This record gives sequence, structure tokens and C-alpha cells, in this order.
Amino acid sequence: EIVLTQSPDFQSVTPKEKVTITCRASQSIGSRLHWYQQKPNQSPKLLIKYASQSISGVPSRFSGSGSGTDFTLTINSLEAEDAAAYYCHQSDSVPGTFGQGTKVEIK
Amino acid sequence: EVQLVQSGAEVKKPGESLKISCKGSGYSFTSYWIGWVRQMPGKGLEWMGIIYPGDSHTTYSPSFQGQVTLSADKSISTAYLQWNNLKASDTAMYYCARSYSTNDYGMDVWGQGTTVTVSS
Repeated sequence: EIVLTQSPDFQSVTPKEKVTITCRASQSIGSRLHWYQQKPNQSPKLLIKYASQSISGVPSRFSGSGSGTDFTLTINSLEAEDAAAYYCHQSDSVPGTFGQGTKVEIK
Repeated sequence: EVQLVQSGAEVKKPGESLKISCKGSGYSFTSYWIGWVRQMPGKGLEWMGIIYPGDSHTTYSPSFQGQVTLSADKSISTAYLQWNNLKASDTAMYYCARSYSTNDYGMDVWGQGTTVTVSS
């Protein structure tokens, strides 16, 4: 089973600040790494697929990068509505796995 | 519009059985995988397993193998998650989600979730 480790677990950020969340895989997964945002009492929402592919309707301040074992989700110029938990997910092999999540709080 | 609509909240007792559903619409239900994800209260997302409604091929996470059963009825575009012997530790929110394609398990569209509460 591939283990995904996110860092940090928690981040408190002021609006307009840049946020960087990393996700490290226990073995190479190519680009089959996806990022989700989950706001309280909502279903997860796909933000980025295949490490860096943008999703229609997702604000352009969200971007992803990486391949192999190291991946990054970047939120440029954080907005208040971005307060949420963020999860990475790999679909390279079964079972699929998620990172433990990163909670982003707005100061 | 692609949608997954899940069945409503359930309250059950330990030892009881339960089957929750996930109905797909707006796409070819038999051409995409349906995955199930557990979220225990205040915790992260856990991948439980995945089913291909076209032929009911399933794959389970080792953590959930033998604990739950995935099934699908393609005639009504509905996938199911079933327990035969609920435990208090099954209390959680359960999500279904559709895969990107036949060839990838990444998930794009999610259901609204079904809350399962198991308590004596």
C-alpha cells in the first residue's frame, strides 16, 4: 500500500498570503496524484488532477506540481473562502490512498 | 449534469445489517468506476474500495476487505455499500465518488455523503 504523507498538518494563514502544501509518496506514483478541498460539512471537491492539471471552475490561484514521489499544492493569494482541509490522493495502484490532510485556517 | 445522489442518514444498532446506495445520473454509469470513502468523525478520508458497474468487478482496501460488500445494479444506475454486522466503530460519513475514466481510479464527482450512526 502506498503511503502519502502531507505537510504541514495545520497552517494558519493571513488573507493574500501564499500557501504551500506538500505530499510525499512512499514510492513513485508518476503523476497519478490528485488534490481535494473539503470545507466543513461538505463533500470533497477536486482541485487538481494528475499532479498539475487544472479543473474547470476551480480558481486559478490553485496550482499543483510534482511527479514521482514529491508533490506540491500551491494557493496563491489565499482568500477567506479557502479555509478548508486539503487532501492528496493517489490512483497509481490499489488500494487507493489519501494523505492525512492539511487544515488551513484563516487568521 | 453528472450527479451522484446517496441515500439518507441511518441510525442502527450494533450487529444489525445495512445497505446504503449511490445513484448516478448524467453519464454512462457502466463506463466509470464508483469508489467508496469513509470519513470518521473529525478524521481524514479513507479509501474503502471500488466497483466497476459494467461487470461488477471490485477491489477492496485490505482494511475493509471482509468487513463490507460493494455491489451495483446497472439497470438502475445504483451502487451499494453493505454491512452484515455493524459495529460502533462503523459510525462515520460515507461518500461515493466517480472515477475519471475506465482506466483510472482518481475521483472527480462525489456524492453528498451518507451519515451512518451505530449505537446501542
